[in-house]
Amino acid sequence: DAGVIQSPRHEVTEMGQEVTLRCKPISGHDYLFWYRQTMMRGLELLIYFNNNVPIDDSGMPEDRFSAKMPNASFSNLKIQPSEPRDSAVYFCASSSPLKRDEQFFGPGTRLTVL
Amino acid sequence: DQQVKQNSPSLSVQEGRISILNCDYTNSMFDYFLWYKKYPAEGPTFLISISSIKDKNEDGRFTVFLNKSAKHLSLHIVPSQPGDSAVYFCAATNDYKLSFGAGTTVTVRA
Repeated sequence: DAGVIQSPRHEVTEMGQEVTLRCKPISGHDYLFWYRQTMMRGLELLIYFNNNVPIDDSGMPEDRFSAKMPNASFSNLKIQPSEPRDSAVYFCASSSPLKRDEQFFGPGTRLTVL
Repeated sequence: DQQVKQNSPSLSVQEGRISILNCDYTNSMFDYFLWYKKYPAEGPTFLISISSIKDKNEDGRFTVFLNKSAKHLSLHIVPSQPGDSAVYFCAATNDYKLSFGAGTTVTVRA
């Protein structure tokens, strides 16, 4: 299996622009998680899905952030409008129903908002 | 509110010696604990875990110890190898949400 796939790996954009981050989970995994890593706050959970349904979005910082999972093979995280403080590494992770707590992480997307 | 704390940001150890990483938590509802390892420009990878009903779990060179009364866990790596140089994150959960510590950067010296 290719593991969790994220795109793009790097994104540089200007303040006010819309940013879309993409994730393909491991086939057969029914949980999908979006995390953000910053120097100040470390690794923090933004939102997670089970069977394509958002379960907990309490970590989403503001209404500017939204995430969807239209099918079992794809999820996206959108920031509109983006701000410099959104600069971070965003990770997507997935887990299987057999070992729900052992999450498999993608390589991350490094976002820079100028 | 940081529920999982790794108070040592870095650790330097000589190759072949033991590395001991520490982690403290505040939420007594956590029932499962994990360690993840992260190399630069990669996502964290699962290393080892322990359920709250156990006090020790061993996997090759890696052993995790859990002291529930002290709300403390530790990761022992014996012997340490150059490839172990990475950032190690402690994580805890009682549902599907992982709470991570800030990480400890381990450097293994030849």
